[in-house]
Amino acid sequence: QVQLQESGPGLVKPSETLSLTCAVSGYSISSGYYWGWIRQPPGKGLEWIGSIYHSGSTYYNPSLKSRVTISVDTSKNQFSLKLSSVTAADTAVYCCARDVSYFDYWGQGTLVTVSS
Amino acid sequence: EIVLTQSPGTLSLSPGERATLSCRASQSVSSSYLAWYQKKTGQAPRLLIYGASSRATGIPDRFSGSGSGTDFTLTISRLEPEDFAVYYCQQYGSSPWTFGQGTKVEIK
Repeated sequence: QVQLQESGPGLVKPSETLSLTCAVSGYSISSGYYWGWIRQPPGKGLEWIGSIYHSGSTYYNPSLKSRVTISVDTSKNQFSLKLSSVTAADTAVYCCARDVSYFDYWGQGTLVTVSS
Repeated sequence: EIVLTQSPGTLSLSPGERATLSCRASQSVSSSYLAWYQKKTGQAPRLLIYGASSRATGIPDRFSGSGSGTDFTLTISRLEPEDFAVYYCQQYGSSPWTFGQGTKVEIK
């Protein structure tokens, strides 16, 4: 069974960089598929942020592309998200998921609040 | 980008009733690349349907998806107590992948 678990700070100051990691178990990232990040601001819908292949190839949502970096560490079987210059609008539950174009396995998500 | 509009926003039904959820796209979704998810508070989203009508592994057959082009439907034939949740559609025919705003199915 594929499992994903997000980790990282729950509170980030405005203008700083949000950093999260997604640990994958039950499947080797090196075996294939894209791996993605999705977020859900409080009371709002889901927004795809971007995804990465085990080779490091990425594709991002154009609305966030200028501030997003997704990287992968196959030796640790995990991938990471960095979102720079955050504002209160970036407060959301951030989820990682396996991206087969749709998302078939998800982490439970972690709430990140942007506040001073 | 393709905007997905789900209706109704909230559906109030009783266990045993039929639920019909709509997802309308701002432009045609190529190859019926549409998925449906179930989301409960504090839990990871659960993939229900992909390819507009294919059930994901382990999904009961009371869940069915249909539609093509710009109009898609998720039907729950007989609501079980565990089906009360929020449902989202997602298109993956055109990047960026986008989601609908969700339909909440609540107990009447």
